[in-house]
Amino acid sequence: QKEVEQDPGPLSVPEGAIVSLNCTYSNSAFQYFMWYRQYSRKGPELLMYTYSSGNKEDGRFTAQVDKSSKYISLFIRDSQPSDSATYLCAMSAGAGGTSYGKLTFGQGTILTVHP
Amino acid sequence: DTEVTQTPKHLVMGMTNKKSLKCEQHMGHRAMYWYKQKAKKPPELMFVYSYEKLSINESVPSRFSPECPNSSLLNLHLHALQPEDSALYLCASSQDSSAALHFGNGTRLTVT
Repeated sequence: QKEVEQDPGPLSVPEGAIVSLNCTYSNSAFQYFMWYRQYSRKGPELLMYTYSSGNKEDGRFTAQVDKSSKYISLFIRDSQPSDSATYLCAMSAGAGGTSYGKLTFGQGTILTVHP
Repeated sequence: DTEVTQTPKHLVMGMTNKKSLKCEQHMGHRAMYWYKQKAKKPPELMFVYSYEKLSINESVPSRFSPECPNSSLLNLHLHALQPEDSALYLCASSQDSSAALHFGNGTRLTVT
């Protein structure tokens, strides 16, 4: 079993739909949770960053973390064709030592928003 | 445009060549990273530099040699690579170990 599980999709939705992307994880040491968006032939772009459990909103994006269930989500409201990309969840235990800055990624979900 | 700049964008090299990948950030971040990404896969960590010192080497073959000349620059020296080393090489930086990583757009490397 992978440490982080993410459905690779692909996911296809019409423009304006609400998109829900999810990851589950098994390592209870994870404290920092991130969502990245990656367009073809580009590097991952940080979308959301949260610490511990709770919700965070930024424009059309909302990130949720439920540490008790080891489950994180990213919601995209009013989705646009420009949101078409691969979305990667990532998490880390932070702190120092051998886990310093070490992100564990999900496999990525390919999202297509069609006009 | 990202705040982490990588050059070159594309690189084709033979198995006997020596080349270097370069990365620069001006965000004042104290940690810098090299990741390798194969097609349709997530990035895989190769090296971590913290305060210009190598802190993590994820058992990367010695044909990859990282260097951190100062807090803003990170290099990856390549020598005697194999075709299976063809991938997107990503540089990233972060304020510290608890902060999110900011990635560059990578160098797409092809080994012939």
